[in-house]
Amino acid sequence: GAVVSQHPSWVICKSGTSVKIECRSLDFQATTMFWYRQFPKQSLMLMATSNEGSKATYEQGVEKDKFLINHASLTLSTLTVTSAHPEDSSFYICSARTRMPGIPDTQYFGPGTRLTVL
Amino acid sequence: AQKITQTQPGMFVQEKEAVTLDCTYDTSDQSYGLFWYKQPSSGEMIFLIYQGSYDEQNATEGRYSLNFQKARKSANLVISASQLGDSAMYFCAMINNAGNMLTFGGGTRLMVKP
Repeated sequence: GAVVSQHPSWVICKSGTSVKIECRSLDFQATTMFWYRQFPKQSLMLMATSNEGSKATYEQGVEKDKFLINHASLTLSTLTVTSAHPEDSSFYICSARTRMPGIPDTQYFGPGTRLTVL
Repeated sequence: AQKITQTQPGMFVQEKEAVTLDCTYDTSDQSYGLFWYKQPSSGEMIFLIYQGSYDEQNATEGRYSLNFQKARKSANLVISASQLGDSAMYFCAMINNAGNMLTFGGGTRLMVKP
């Protein structure tokens, strides 16, 4: 089955630190990856859509300079939270979409990364 | 970037036996620290043991010891004489050289059988 991994699973950092989160599709190529943010007891909120080799498309209200997304290859997208502050503490989840012959066009979700900013 | 990997999502061990929980890490820092924490079902994080990257001897704390193999970038936790109260989630974590970021592995759930 299609597997998406995220690293790290949990990170605690001091305010002002930049944190990079990796999202990898382990056994398939993902032309499109999505980044979500989830607050406690709330649904996923789409932050941005990342296409391999091009700039990410950000949802309204999401700061591009704050949340840097790089989709460097068909199996890797990274989200960098720059100069993190306590209000950036959240659960960040990525998903990867396949579009290959014989495989349904489906999003597969990573296990999420918990970010805590002190 | 730092990376911590715990490859065992869950493990069983018989009471009174020893168990090893695996942890591998990757970092470009020359100086760093490694921690193990225990999280029982109640949710609090309990510090177990710490190993500095320049410490030559493996850390030990009572029934806990850390098998630190720097060349292999591994920091496995060994629990001797398992007790029923050892059943919990165990997290491996690494702090960077600057001391401003603590990165956790995905955790291993340990279940001790009577």
